[in-house]
Amino acid sequence: EDKVVQSPLSLVVHEGDTVTLNCSYEVTNFRSLLWYKQEKKAPTFLFMLTSSGIEKKSGRLSSILDKKELFSILNITATQTGDSAIYLCAPQSSGDKLTFGTGTRLAVRP
Amino acid sequence: GAVVSQHPSWVICKSGTSVKIECRSLDFQATTMFWYRQFPKQSLMLMATSNEGSKATYEQGVEKDKFLINHASLTLSTLTVTSAHPEDSSFYICSARVGYGDYEQYFGPGTRLTVT
Repeated sequence: EDKVVQSPLSLVVHEGDTVTLNCSYEVTNFRSLLWYKQEKKAPTFLFMLTSSGIEKKSGRLSSILDKKELFSILNITATQTGDSAIYLCAPQSSGDKLTFGTGTRLAVRP
Repeated sequence: GAVVSQHPSWVICKSGTSVKIECRSLDFQATTMFWYRQFPKQSLMLMATSNEGSKATYEQGVEKDKFLINHASLTLSTLTVTSAHPEDSSFYICSARVGYGDYEQYFGPGTRLTVT
């Protein structure tokens, strides 16, 4: 059975802090790994990672994938209150199925 | 680009009735659409995958006769919850993918269903 474990489950930081969110996975026929940010409604797409060791960046967010260790991290630098959300990791199998982790709930205090 | 809409955004219905939820890709053609369900404080669970013009593929444990999916065009998929019961109350979210291969999925805003 496909499995995704995200850690920590929740995190409270102050504005300006840097956070690292972890995702480990076991899926059959792995194809890629996606990160999403979920606020009050549906998830919004952040990154898709397909190759090991290549960092993807978007502003203060960056992410990297380790296909050997079955692991990915999402970094957020200089956090802002608007970064408060649930961050979801979802490995994608060759059947296009996304398996979501339970997410990391991030709260950024002013 | 890559906008997905859902309608309605919320619906309340009585037990035993059926409810239809629409998912549309607004600015692209979606060869594949996915339907997820999310219960409070839980993650998204894939219910089914639908490809335009063919029957949906349901995940284990999801009743295909209860959750009818129709993907009649490249921009529209519908999910009908038949004979709804209170335990079907949930947040239903669709996503759409542009093509085959390593394409990201874009999510709709979700539909909150409450069955009384």
